[in-house]
This record gives sequence, structure tokens and C-alpha cells, in this order.
Amino acid sequence: EAGVTQFPSHSVIEKGQTVTLRCDPISGHDNLYWYRRVMGKEIKFLLHFVKESKQDESGMPNNRFLAERTGGTYSTLKVQPAELEDSGVYFCASSQVGGLVTEAFFGQGTRLTVV
Amino acid sequence: AQSVTQPDIHITVSEGASLELRCNYSYGATPYLFWYVQSPGQGLQLLLKYFSGDTLVQGIKGFEAEFKRSQSSFNLRKPSVHWSDAAEYFCAVGAPFGGYALNFGKGTSLLVTP
Repeated sequence: EAGVTQFPSHSVIEKGQTVTLRCDPISGHDNLYWYRRVMGKEIKFLLHFVKESKQDESGMPNNRFLAERTGGTYSTLKVQPAELEDSGVYFCASSQVGGLVTEAFFGQGTRLTVV
Repeated sequence: AQSVTQPDIHITVSEGASLELRCNYSYGATPYLFWYVQSPGQGLQLLLKYFSGDTLVQGIKGFEAEFKRSQSSFNLRKPSVHWSDAAEYFCAVGAPFGGYALNFGKGTSLLVTP
């Protein structure tokens, strides 16, 4: 069974450009989470989808970030326009319905560098 | 508010030696606690978790962790480290019914020497 897959693995863009990150969760997992790790900092929660609905987006840094999960399958995270401080590793995770009693599986992450 | 502190940024141990990685948390009630590992080029992998019950939790790869409420700690241990254990380790705390909106520590990078 395929794990959580994230595309691309690396992205280097210029300040002001737009970047879209994609996450394919494990098939059948209704919960999908986005996290971000800025260099030297903690891994920070961004938001949580249950199917196509945003359950919690309290961690989204600002309105330059837009997450979608159309159809409740894969999710995208768009950053527009990108700023230097957006550089970091973006992780996606998915889990079955049941919240904490089920394990969340993480993808390998997308390393975003804004120059 | 929840928070997690991992006091050690880097730790170096010899292969075969024992290991203890420290984790302290701040949370108003009984937390849900996790340890994750990230090996180079890999995603985060769950080592073990604590929800309730026995305070000594066994995980994968020979790791264990002990929940100590009085010390607000959830330290990760392994009796004998293997070179393949070199990785970054993250402690995380979650709230009941909070899904997986976890709060992570900054991580501890483990180096294993021959």
C-alpha cells in the first residue's frame, strides 16, 4: 500500500512567485493534515481536513496560504505570493477517522526555498 | 497552551551504548504524547505513543518511553543504540479530541559513532 506522497520533493522559487504543493494521502484516510517546519524551529501545525472540509485552520500563517482538498482526496497548498520566511519543509499527514486513536502517517515533506 | 521542550538539540552516542532523549511538555490535563523519528530522506515515522494506562510504553525498533506526570516528562530510551538509529527525533503532544493537531518539540539530532 502506498504511503503519503508529496510533490514536489524540492522547490526553489523567487520571492513573489506562486508555488503549489501537493499531498496524496493514504487511500481511505479522511483526515489530512499540513505541517511546516521552518529551519531551526518546531514542526508547526497548519491545518486539518476531514474529507473536503477544513476542520481546523488555526495554524495557517496568513492569507497568502490557501489549502484545498477537492473531492476529499488529494490536497494542495498554494503560497501566493511567496515570501522569504515561507522557506521550510512542508509535511502532510493522513489518518483514518477516529482521531488520536489511529496513527497519522507522514509524507517525506516538500522542501521549499524562497530566494 | 500546549508546548513541548526537547532540551538537547544534538546528542552523540557510541554504537551499543544506551540512549535517553528528553522531552518535557506543558499541558493542563493528561496529554496524548508521541515520539516520531525522521531518518535522512524519509518522512516522520511514529515510534510510540501514550494515551493512558501503563506509563511505560513500548514502541518499534526497540524504543520505549516513560510518562512521568510529576515531572511532565516523556523521555525516550533505548538500551543499545545501533548505527541505523542516527536520525532526528521529535516529541509531540496532542489534546484529546484534537485530532492530530500536534505540538512538536524542536527535535533532537542523534549521531551514532562507531
